Amino acid sequence: GIQVEQSPPDLILQEGANSTLRCNFSDSVNNLQWFHQNPWGQLINLFYIPSGTKQNGRLSATTVATERYSLLYISSSQTTDSGVYFCAAFTSGTYKYIFGTGTRLKVLA
Amino acid sequence: NAGVTQTPKFQVLKTGQSMTLQCAQDMNHEYMSWYRQDPGMGLRLIHYSVGAGITDQGEVPNGYNVSRSTTEDFPLRLLSAAPSQTSVYFCASSRTSGPNNEQFFGPGTRLTVL
Repeated sequence: GIQVEQSPPDLILQEGANSTLRCNFSDSVNNLQWFHQNPWGQLINLFYIPSGTKQNGRLSATTVATERYSLLYISSSQTTDSGVYFCAAFTSGTYKYIFGTGTRLKVLA
Repeated sequence: NAGVTQTPKFQVLKTGQSMTLQCAQDMNHEYMSWYRQDPGMGLRLIHYSVGAGITDQGEVPNGYNVSRSTTEDFPLRLLSAAPSQTSVYFCASSRTSGPNNEQFFGPGTRLTVL
């Protein structure tokens, strides 16, 4: 089945810094989502982005489906950005979303 | 809309006990799924359903049963709990199983099996 890999596994930033998180997938996908899991365990939808680029405030995401990767950009990071960021890839032939193992982000004040 | 709701929030079981984790959504979504998340790891798919009356296995289905008698509800049953099933369980739903199937997650159920 499809493999989803995320990098880096851990990231520590000073408040105000920018970062790029990467999600690679091993096969063609129909859909891709980015989630933020906050320190209370809640999964928050960030982007639904099967292809192209989207922006929402300080966050933006780009998926290049033909090259099998997606990027999540966080600009001017804040302590509230801390948590784990997951990407999940969906293939319609299998009806399954497969999650990566996540990037654990800590933003220091 | 309440979105995706899960009950209970916390549960402690003894080995061998059975229980049902409840999941409901009020968005008329076709697709529903159950995941487990073990400490420090991503989410792994247990079972999924593409519509009422249709269920199928995900990556880690052993030890779990599901049914989908209505569009709204998708309960997950543990028939004989084992310590290896200690985890956080998330339910999710999306409008379809095809394109435009953004998933939305419930708050999770934290299960401990002693």
